[in-house]
Order: sequence, then C-alpha cells, then structure tokens
Amino acid sequence: DAKTTQPPSMDCAEGRAANLPCNHSTISGNEYVYWYRQIHSQGPQYIIHGLKNNETNEMASLIITEDRKSSTLILPHATLRDTAVYYCIVLPWGNKLVFGAGTILRVKS
Amino acid sequence: EAQVTQNPRYLITVTGKKLTVTCSQNMNHEYMSWYRQDPGLGLRQIYYSMNVEVTDKGDVPEGYKVSRKEKRNFPLILESPSPNQTSLYFCASSLGRGFGIGNQPQHFGDGTRLSIL
Repeated sequence: DAKTTQPPSMDCAEGRAANLPCNHSTISGNEYVYWYRQIHSQGPQYIIHGLKNNETNEMASLIITEDRKSSTLILPHATLRDTAVYYCIVLPWGNKLVFGAGTILRVKS
Repeated sequence: EAQVTQNPRYLITVTGKKLTVTCSQNMNHEYMSWYRQDPGLGLRQIYYSMNVEVTDKGDVPEGYKVSRKEKRNFPLILESPSPNQTSLYFCASSLGRGFGIGNQPQHFGDGTRLSIL
C-alpha cells in the first residue's frame, strides 16, 4: 500500500474552510484515496474517498491532483465539532484499512 | 438508526479470565472486522469476516478468536487475556469488501476499552 504523509497538526478558525493536505507520491493506478476522522474517544468515521476525480459529499470535498501524488480534504465551514484526527489512507480496491498517525485538526473559536 | 454497537464499552479484568466483546450491526452488512488501537501504533486489524461462517486473520490475530454465526453479530473472544491485550478495540462493518467503486465505507462502533491486569 502507498505511504501517506500528513502534517501532524493544523489549526483552523471556526467558520473558515479547513484544508488538510496529504502526500502520496508512490500511489499506483489502482489505489484509492480515503479520508476518515476520529473524534476523541469515538470510533473512526468515514468522510469521503476517490480515485482520480474530485469528489464532494455533504461532509467534505476531496481534491486530487492530476498526477494523483497528493490530495486535499476540504471542510468548507469548519465547526468546533470538526476537531479530530484526520486520516488519509491510500490502498487498492478491496484491501483493509491501515490508519497512520493522521493530522490533528483543532478548530478554534 | 444505522449503527454498530459494541459491548461492553469499558472492562477491567484479570489475566486468564475469558471474556467476550460483542459487536452487532443493523445495516445488513456482509463485511465485519475487529481492530485494536494502541498509542503510536495506529489501528491494526485483528480479524475480519466476509460473510456468515467466513472469517480470516488480520495483522494481529494472536490471542483472539472470532465467530460469525449470524450476519449481524461478530463477537471477539479472548480465551486467556494477557496484559499486552490491554487496548482500545473497535468493531467495524461495511456493505462488502470490493463492491462498487473502491471499498465500501466502514462504519465503526464507539469502541471498547479493555484493561487486563
């Protein structure tokens, strides 16, 4: 599975967009990009995933660069409840999830 | 409400005393999995099940057993718990592994914190 690199932590002002980057320079053609988050003391929560096209759902948007070597998760209007650890995971179709260290996002009022 | 329910949420017990952590999902999901989460090691898969009566080892299966007699339930059994199994455990389920585009998203329970003394 491709390795991912995420910043250890980020801060974001409440109401502003939170842009969380992820590097996956060794990604191969059949590997998808997934984002999950884990709010303190809760189970991980699926956010979004994509292969090469940008994706949007009710929670977030996923922007994948044309060469697929990096991606950005965008929370358009961050709230205090979005404070969590965000995990970028790259793996082929059908494989199990492997969570790395992730990015601690702190949303501040 | 669609959910994955784990019980108990917290348990303190002693070495060697058999215990079972239950997991139940109400989404008719085929795929279920158990993970443990430890500081600095992230989430590691213990066992998974593709469907009823089909289970397989994950990355750290030693010391654990599972069963999948019904679609909705996937209990985790520690026959003889040891202190190195002290951890935060999560059960997860999804519609299927490999269905559709990419993995189907996994839904996680709220976790079970086990302390083995």
